[in-house]
Amino acid sequence: AQSVTQLGSHVSVSEGALVLLRCNYSSSVPPYLFWYVQYPNQGLQLLLKYTTGATLVKGINGFEAEFKKSETSFHLTKPSAHMSDAAEYFCAMDQGGSEKLVFGKGMKLTVNP
Amino acid sequence: GAVVSQHPSRVICKSGTSVKIECRSLDFQATTMFWYRQFPKKSLMLMATSNEGSKATYEQGVEKDKFLINHASLTLSTLTVTSAHPEDSSFYICSARDDVYEQYFGPGTRLTVT
Repeated sequence: AQSVTQLGSHVSVSEGALVLLRCNYSSSVPPYLFWYVQYPNQGLQLLLKYTTGATLVKGINGFEAEFKKSETSFHLTKPSAHMSDAAEYFCAMDQGGSEKLVFGKGMKLTVNP
Repeated sequence: GAVVSQHPSRVICKSGTSVKIECRSLDFQATTMFWYRQFPKKSLMLMATSNEGSKATYEQGVEKDKFLINHASLTLSTLTVTSAHPEDSSFYICSARDDVYEQYFGPGTRLTVT
C-alpha cells in the first residue's frame, strides 16, 4: 500500500545549523513527491516537488530535497536554519500524477537561538 | 501566489446539528478541489475530491451522507457535516487545483462538536 513515513514528530536545531527532515515512501508506481510547510493558523505552502528528471530539487527559502529511488527516500535539507523556518513540515506523495496526495504525519521544526 | 480561503476558521456546534465549511479560490478558477481531515498528531487524510458541476468522489471509509460536498462554481466548494457528533471534531483543510495542476491549500477550519 502507498504510504509516507516521517519518523518522529519533532526536530529541534540551533540557528545556523543543518536542517534534515527525513521522509520515506512506499509506492507501487513512480511517485511524485512533495514537501509542504505549515505555519501556525495558515494553510500548507509548497516548498518543493519532484516529478521526473533531476533528482535533486531546489525549493523556496533555501530548502532542497533529493529523490533516492534505491532508498525510497526524499529527505529535506537546508544548510543553515533560520528562526523563521520554525513550522510544521509535511512530506507528501502523489502516485503517478493521480493528484491524490498521501501525507506523512508531519514534523515540527523548532529553531533555537 | 494563488490564495485559497476557508470560512469559518473555527466553529463550535452542538451534537446533532449541521455545519457548513466554505472553501474559495480567490484569484483563480478551480475545477477540482480536495477536502482533507487532519487529526491531532496525525497526517492529513483525503476525504473527497470535488469537481465543479458533478458529484464528489469520496475516499473509502468516508460517509458521503454525513459529509456533503457541493462544488457549485469554479471558485467555491462547500463541506457540510450533517448531524455532527463529537467524533467529527477535527481540523478540515481544503485545497484547490489550478489549470497547471498545482494544489493550493486553505488555512483550515477547526470544528469542535460539543
